[in-house]
Amino acid sequence: GAGVSQSPRYKVAKRGQDVALRCDPISGHVSLFWYQQALGQGPEFLTYFQNEAQLDKSGLPSDRFFAERPEGSVSTLKIQRTQQEDSAVYLCASSLGQTPRYGYTFGSGTRLTVV
Amino acid sequence: DQQVKQNSPSLSVQEGRISILNCDYTNSMFDYFLWYKKYPAEGPTFLISISSIKDKNEDGRFTVFLNKSAKHLSLHIVPSQPGDSAVYFCAASENQFYFGTGTSLTVIP
Repeated sequence: GAGVSQSPRYKVAKRGQDVALRCDPISGHVSLFWYQQALGQGPEFLTYFQNEAQLDKSGLPSDRFFAERPEGSVSTLKIQRTQQEDSAVYLCASSLGQTPRYGYTFGSGTRLTVV
Repeated sequence: DQQVKQNSPSLSVQEGRISILNCDYTNSMFDYFLWYKKYPAEGPTFLISISSIKDKNEDGRFTVFLNKSAKHLSLHIVPSQPGDSAVYFCAASENQFYFGTGTSLTVIP
């Protein structure tokens, strides 16, 4: 596709439920990033893939968060046993280059609400 | 700890005037800076960037200034247009990007 596609756009989860958020990056983009944006805040880094390799996961807030990109294209961010503090917009971005210096193209995000 | 700060949460400017959005950072190792623009219900879109080896980059109505000694970045939009109304995020990179909290710009017709 022409841009970064994320699904679903909106997700309401009951506390304790597991969720999976999908990101389809721009075709051919090597780098893929996940960010979490809480209300009134800027995006905060979660994790970074170069192709299928997860090179940096230092931003994942707990071991309930898990991300994968098994074939180096589509990525899934999984949150287990969701908590209310997980409510945020989850943004995926991709980049052609192997370093963030090329800038990112963001998707529209998935808004997760945990009730 | 917030490494990139945008201390003005909002800014209102008359159409045709200059908009100046400011950003401060704490990490002297940051070597690449970007500005993103975000409309409601959309992801941020890239606007303009600057490398730490420069102090100014211009693209049409948009100019980014970098003052490394002050660890300060600014975005100038001139002339401002109503379509520029959006939230603007600055971001700084060492290995991955750190974002500020955003400034909501309203350009009044």
